[in-house]
Amino acid sequence: KAGVTQTPRYLIKTRGQQVTLSCSPISGHRSVSWYQQTPGQGLQFLFEYFSETQRNKGNFPGRFSGRQFSNSRSEMNVSTLELGDSALYLCASSLTGGPQETQYFGPGTRLLVL
Amino acid sequence: GDSVTQMEGPVTLSEEAFLTINCTYTATGYPSLFWYVQYPGEGLQLLLKATKADDKGSNKGFEATYRKETTSFHLEKGSVQVSDSAVYFCALSYSGGYNKLIFGAGTRLAVHP
Repeated sequence: KAGVTQTPRYLIKTRGQQVTLSCSPISGHRSVSWYQQTPGQGLQFLFEYFSETQRNKGNFPGRFSGRQFSNSRSEMNVSTLELGDSALYLCASSLTGGPQETQYFGPGTRLLVL
Repeated sequence: GDSVTQMEGPVTLSEEAFLTINCTYTATGYPSLFWYVQYPGEGLQLLLKATKADDKGSNKGFEATYRKETTSFHLEKGSVQVSDSAVYFCALSYSGGYNKLIFGAGTRLAVHP
């Protein structure tokens, strides 16, 4: 079974631009979560989607948004990029998102904002 | 709110040494607890998990026991290898929402031959 895939793996953008990251979950998994990893703040939860609905959201500004498609693939968008948005963005999937389920992570998209 | 505290690194050990990485948590309700490992340039891999008090998770020689009385989930391995060098994250599943993990700061482990 293929794992979680994320595209692109690396991105370089400039301040003020916007960016879209993509995540394909493990086949059969319907819950997709996104996390931001930085050296200063560590791993922080962004949001979670299930059946195209956002069920949970972390403490991030409205510039961070996401969506999920009917095939469970998910995208996240960051508008008006700031230098502090430079990070590794990780996507994780699980069957239904229950608290006892294992979340399987993708390799991440490394975003550099100049 | 829910939180995870793990020992600061880096932890530097010689091959075949005993490893302990401490992890304590604060949570309402009864969270599941996880240890994830991150190798350089990669995402997170689940190492082990425990879903209720007194459960012991184990994998690849690593073990951790869910201790509700001490709110702890310490990671141990009897004999580390160079290939165990990585960053280890303790995490809990947030009881107030779906598929939301709360992570500790991570502990970097370096094992030397």
